[in-house]
Amino acid sequence: EVQLVESGGGLVQPGGSLRLSCAASGFTFSSYSMNWVRQAPGKGLEWISYISKTSSNIYDADSVKGRITVSRDNAKNSLYLQMNSLRAEDTAVYYCAKISSWGNYFDHWGQGTLVTVSS
Amino acid sequence: DIVMTQSPLSLPVTPGEPASISCRSSQSLLHSNGYNFLDWYLQKPGQSPQLLIYLGSNRASGVPDRFSGGGSGTDFTLKISRVEAEDVGVYYCMQGLEAPPYSFGQGTRLEIK
Repeated sequence: EVQLVESGGGLVQPGGSLRLSCAASGFTFSSYSMNWVRQAPGKGLEWISYISKTSSNIYDADSVKGRITVSRDNAKNSLYLQMNSLRAEDTAVYYCAKISSWGNYFDHWGQGTLVTVSS
Repeated sequence: DIVMTQSPLSLPVTPGEPASISCRSSQSLLHSNGYNFLDWYLQKPGQSPQLLIYLGSNRASGVPDRFSGGGSGTDFTLKISRVEAEDVGVYYCMQGLEAPPYSFGQGTRLEIK
């Protein structure tokens, strides 16, 4: 069974940093591209970052470009999101999502981790 | 970037009645391989999103056959033949043709009357 478990969320002050993790199991992690998607309280879904299976291709949304760094460790079956210069508008639940092998869509999502940016 | 627009944003439905959600894209999502790169997700209350329909019309594993996806190009529809209480939540369409960046619709909140 595919499992994606995010961790690392919490309360951080504006301008601070946080590193999120996503532990993957139940599939060959190194064979799949991965993404981060966030959801502000009461709002819709916003894709923010993509990383290919070998980390050779990385794309970030304009809203977070320059402030986030996505990475992965295939030996540890883990995905990461380093977030810097955090703002109040970054407050959201952050989900990791796995790309399907059949098309460019997300076939599995984690349960999410909440990041709150507030003083 | 491709913009996705859903309607309606709120959908009250009586159990046993059908429901329909529209999703329009600012550019055609029809790939040269013949597939539409349009997917539907359901986020039930307090849960993470789950895949319902992929590549326009294919039900994901475990999705009841009362759910169906249709359309092509820029106009797509998610239909529920007979709404059940467990179908409550927010439905999102998403395009994967020119992605990343992926783009989602605003979401349609289905509630039971």
